Amino acid sequence: NAGVTQTPKFQVLKTGQSMTLQCAQDMNHNSMYWYRQDPGMGLRLIYYSASEGTTDKGEVPNGYNVSRLNKREFSLRLESAAPSQTSVYFCASSEGTLETQYFGPGTRLLVL
Amino acid sequence: AQSVTQPDIHITVSEGASLELRCNYSYGATPYLFWYVQSPGQGLQLLLKYFSGDTLVQGIKGFEAEFKRSQSSFNLRKPSVHWSDAAEYFCAVGSTGTASKLTFGTGTRLQVTL
Repeated sequence: NAGVTQTPKFQVLKTGQSMTLQCAQDMNHNSMYWYRQDPGMGLRLIYYSASEGTTDKGEVPNGYNVSRLNKREFSLRLESAAPSQTSVYFCASSEGTLETQYFGPGTRLLVL
Repeated sequence: AQSVTQPDIHITVSEGASLELRCNYSYGATPYLFWYVQSPGQGLQLLLKYFSGDTLVQGIKGFEAEFKRSQSSFNLRKPSVHWSDAAEYFCAVGSTGTASKLTFGTGTRLQVTL
């Protein structure tokens, strides 16, 4: 039982490049989330998927897109990376949107 | 809109001393409240949560929190801190409704001196 897994663990991009962050959970959870964590800002919700087949914007969605591929997987795509997207990205999942969230280990992204 | 305030950015306590981390929330109805802990380089782990019932909630690692509706607070406490408690602590509030999701505070970094 791996819980929530994220790939890659670390990535360096140049401005304008694109990439997809992958997230998978093996707990049969309905809801999945993408957050970014920046110093002094706490965790800010980028997008979430309350259930398979649905996605909704969070607090800071600009510059990102998501895909709920199936119940297990929820990916985050940066189409044209900007230095302001340098951050640590966390994926999380939960049984329901007000239930306990389980977090992955994070992806550190540096955009030059 | 719901919001969470953690007024203390950084707290230092001696090992064995008591600890209280403050959390204030803004939400009209009864909130769903959580405390999470993040060790360096790790994801977040749930310490405890409050949905309803007894306002004093027990969590893992000897932590507890008390929901005080009159003060809109959900402070985290531990009677005796261990060096391994050094981490960052996040309070979060959730709301019911069609857009149910959590809002996290900015976190309090705890340093423990020996």
